[in-house]
Parts: sequence; C-alpha cells; structure tokens
Amino acid sequence: GEDVEQSLFLSVREGDSSVINCTYTDSSSTYLYWYKQEPGAGLQLLTYIFSNMDMKQDQRLTVLLNKKDKHLSLRIADTQTGDSAIYFCSSGTYKYIFGTGTRLKVLA
Amino acid sequence: DTGVSQDPRHKITKRGQNVTFRCDPISEHNRLYWYRQTLGQGPEFLTYFQNEAQLEKSRLLSDRFSAERPKGSFSTLEIQRTEQGDSAMYLCASSFGQTGGEQYFGPGTRLTVT
Repeated sequence: GEDVEQSLFLSVREGDSSVINCTYTDSSSTYLYWYKQEPGAGLQLLTYIFSNMDMKQDQRLTVLLNKKDKHLSLRIADTQTGDSAIYFCSSGTYKYIFGTGTRLKVLA
Repeated sequence: DTGVSQDPRHKITKRGQNVTFRCDPISEHNRLYWYRQTLGQGPEFLTYFQNEAQLEKSRLLSDRFSAERPKGSFSTLEIQRTEQGDSAMYLCASSFGQTGGEQYFGPGTRLTVT
C-alpha cells in the first residue's frame, strides 16, 4: 500500500528555521498536505501544495516539493515556542495517508 | 463557520459495551471522513461519505464498526462489543467538492476501553 515516511524528532532553538522532511509513495495525489497536531487535539491544516508546483510560500511557511524524488519539506521560519507540536505530511485524494509525524521541540 | 465538532470528546467504557460517537461537519461540506489515531501514530483512514452515501470502508473497519450519515449532515460511528484494542482517538474530517478537497479535522473523540 501507499506509504508516507517522516523523521520522528526535530529540535531547534527559538528564532531558528525548522525543516521537516517527508517522503511519499503515492504519485497520484493531486495535492500534498501539512498538518499540525498539538497534544490532545485534532489536526490543524497548515498548508498544502498542488502536485504540479515546486514551491509554495505562506507567511512563515515554505513548502518544497520534489515530485521526481517524491520528497516534500516544510520550512518554518523564525520558529517560536508555539510551533512545538507534531507535524504530519499526508498524500492522497480523498483517503489521506499520513506519516507517523515529526515531533518538533522548540527550545527557548 | 464553526468548524468540525465531535461529541463526546472523551469516552471511557468497559470491554464489551457499545459506544457511539457523533461528528458534525462544516455546514457546506459534502464529504465526511472518519480516521483512527493510536498513540505515536498518524491517523489511519476508516471510511468516508459523500453526502449520505458511504463510498469506501477500510479493512480496519471490522464488522463491529458501523458508520452512518443520514440526510448527508452529521455522522455517527458506532463500535459494538468494544475491545481494548479499540482504544484510540477517533477523528472526523470534512471537505467540499467532488474530487477531494482539503480536509478539515475535528478535535477528536478519545476512547478508552478498560
């Protein structure tokens, strides 16, 4: 079946940039998504990118897509303590496939 | 737009009991999804509806699970004869459109089976 893989942990200092990486196998996805989950909460849609795009910028968030390598990344500029959470990338058209998530810890 | 809501937020039940969860999607969204998330994992797809029609069910959805979406508005997910392995966060999401569209998630219902 289709799969999404992410590294489990990332630790950065406040004010630095964070880069969270993801690889996926489903080449049929029209869009790819990034979600944020805080403890005990549901998933918050952060941003998404159309599969024909290479890059999308949305305020502090930059998404890069390498479709050939099936690699997606999320860069968070000027990372804040409030950004500490688990970040999921997902692929799929209606049946989303999620990775295990990357736990981002921001050190003050 | 009040977002996707789920009720209850937490449910503790004894093994063998039946439980039912409710999801209210964003009002104009025609698609509704159920996912299950266990500790340390990402959400896993269970089933989805387009309006009132249930279009796909995952093999994770055993015969003890049933979902409905009468009138294409709110949805319920029922688990019969709960087992300890059913303990998880049950997430509902909704989207608009015929071919998918970005999914917006509710806060989830955390089920603990003792």
